[in-house]
Amino acid sequence: GENVEQHPSTLSVQEGDSAVIKCTYSDSASNYFPWYKQELGKRPQLIIDIRSNVGEKKDQRIAVTLNKTAKHFSLHITETQPEDSAVYFCAAIGTNAGKSTFGDGTTLTVKP
Amino acid sequence: DVKVTQSSRYLVKRTGEKVFLECVQDMDHENMFWYRQDPGLGLRLIYFSYDVKMKEKGDIPEGYSVSREKKERFSLILESASTNQTSMYLCASSLSGVWGGMNTEAFFGQGTRLTVV
Repeated sequence: GENVEQHPSTLSVQEGDSAVIKCTYSDSASNYFPWYKQELGKRPQLIIDIRSNVGEKKDQRIAVTLNKTAKHFSLHITETQPEDSAVYFCAAIGTNAGKSTFGDGTTLTVKP
Repeated sequence: DVKVTQSSRYLVKRTGEKVFLECVQDMDHENMFWYRQDPGLGLRLIYFSYDVKMKEKGDIPEGYSVSREKKERFSLILESASTNQTSMYLCASSLSGVWGGMNTEAFFGQGTRLTVV
């Protein structure tokens, strides 16, 4: 089955700096790669996603890149703000009815 | 707005009790999932269902069973609760890509924090 590794497990940055979180996956059939943000005490919510036919996608301060050959994808957050502090999860989904395999999560702390 | 609702936010049960966690979604999604979230272990899939009465084991199904009698409802059952099942349980739903569509994001419930004493 699919295996997703996520790094780093914790990340601390200064407000205004950039943050990068990386994930690798094992199943070359995976075709959809969402990123979720989970604030303390709340449910995970989608912040950005990318499909396997696209190499990069951007939404304001957030971007995701995908390298299918190397089987890794990354989340980039620019101009970080304290409200970006949360746990971020990557996921990879193949053809099996949308079953998501999640990374273990990255706890991002943005210091004011 | 998609809504996934879990029946309880907090539960405290005794060892050996049979426990039911209920999840309802209102967007006609084919897929429904039960995850367990523990610190440092991310989101681990217990069971998922891609249609009524259909179910597949996830990564950690031992000690759990599920029921999906109606499309909108997916129940997680702990046959005999144990202390190592103390955790946060998250339900999710999504549209299915298996019938020729595209896989899409999962929408999560608010979570049930279960404590087994």
